[in-house]
Amino acid sequence: SQKIEQNSEALNIQEGKTATLTCNYTNYSPAYLQWYRQDPGRGPVFLLLIRENEKEKRKERLKVTFDTTLKQSLFHITASQPADSATYLCALPTSFSSNTGKLIFGQGTTLQVKP
Amino acid sequence: NAGVTQTPKFQVLKTGQSMTLQCAQDMNHNSMYWYRQDPGMGLRLIYYSASEGTTDKGEVPNGYNVSRLNKREFSLRLESAAPSQTSVYFCASSGTRTGLGQPQHFGDGTRLSIL
Repeated sequence: SQKIEQNSEALNIQEGKTATLTCNYTNYSPAYLQWYRQDPGRGPVFLLLIRENEKEKRKERLKVTFDTTLKQSLFHITASQPADSATYLCALPTSFSSNTGKLIFGQGTTLQVKP
Repeated sequence: NAGVTQTPKFQVLKTGQSMTLQCAQDMNHNSMYWYRQDPGMGLRLIYYSASEGTTDKGEVPNGYNVSRLNKREFSLRLESAAPSQTSVYFCASSGTRTGLGQPQHFGDGTRLSIL
């Protein structure tokens, strides 16, 4: 079955630097991959989706890459701000041919941006 | 916009008691989901509903039942609560029956403690 690995250790960076978070998966390459943000005491909020035929996707200061050879997605936040501090989750469809919308989530990586 | 609304926000139960967690969405979404989130375990799917009148088991369905009352509402019931069900429960919805990477929209969760 598909497993997702995200760094469970918190990532601490200085304001203004680029934060890079990693999402590795172990089995089939999914048709797409999603990234979510979760603040303490709140539900996850969708940020970006990248499809298997896309190498890179950008939205404002966010950039996501998808390398099916490495079975890895990288999530970058450029010019990071303290307000970017949160836990970031990656998610994949539950099976190779999944068209149900069901997702499997990684445990998330907590980002702390210091002023 | 309300989005996904969950009630209650907090609940404490004794072992063996029953309760129903309520979820409603106002985005006219077909698919709805129930997850639990535990420290170190990430989000795990309990049940999902692809459309009104249909439900299916997720990764951790034991001890739970669900009802898709109508297109808006999807409830989760604990018939006989156990301490292992202490968790934060999230409801989510998404826009298409057949996935295609549609983002999931989450409520802010119900924090449930079983003593």
